[in-house]
Amino acid sequence: DVVMTQSPLSLPVTLGQPASISCRSSQSLVHSDGNTYLNWFQQRPGQSPRRLIYTVSKRDSGVPDRFSGSGSGTDFTLKISRVEAEDVGVYYCMQGTHWPLTFGGGTKVEIK
Amino acid sequence: EVQLLESGGGLVQPGGSLRLSCVASGFTISSHGMSWVRQAPGKGLEWVSGVSSTGGTTSCAESVKGRCTISRDISKNTLYLQMNSLSADDTALYYCARGTLLLDYWGQGTLVTVSS
Repeated sequence: DVVMTQSPLSLPVTLGQPASISCRSSQSLVHSDGNTYLNWFQQRPGQSPRRLIYTVSKRDSGVPDRFSGSGSGTDFTLKISRVEAEDVGVYYCMQGTHWPLTFGGGTKVEIK
Repeated sequence: EVQLLESGGGLVQPGGSLRLSCVASGFTISSHGMSWVRQAPGKGLEWVSGVSSTGGTTSCAESVKGRCTISRDISKNTLYLQMNSLSADDTALYYCARGTLLLDYWGQGTLVTVSS
């Protein structure tokens, strides 16, 4: 199985400041169809996961443009340009290239 | 509007079985792969099972293999997850999600508690 390693585990951020979450996979996430199925999810307290970013860098409809995804191969990053109070929650990366699908362990974003 | 509504969770004794349902609306499941993902209390997300858009390919995670069956009823636009020989380790909130690569929509989840 592909292991997804996220860091940091916890990310205290000052409002208005940037935040960055790293996600590394144990093998390349380039699919045979040429796409890289690396997705990012946000889970606010008490809510279901919500997809923010798909195929590395495409932002879902309604997702603020302060969220961006980048990376390639085995190394990926989610960035929040200016953290707002509503961004508090746990963020997960997930690979959909190889079955079984696997998730990173999560990064908890909180306000300092 | 795409919606996924899970049901079928509850309290079950160790060794028991459950069938979870996920009714989809706003799209047809025959056009999309579907997945089940679970989250144990206070823990992260774990993929449990998936079915391809054609229904021809199904898979379950190693942690539930042999005890898990995913199926769907196209006429009811409903996805199912049958889980047998349940143990405390299966206690979790079970979500259904659209897709097997991208998981773009998720339901609100149904809670399964395995306890005597």
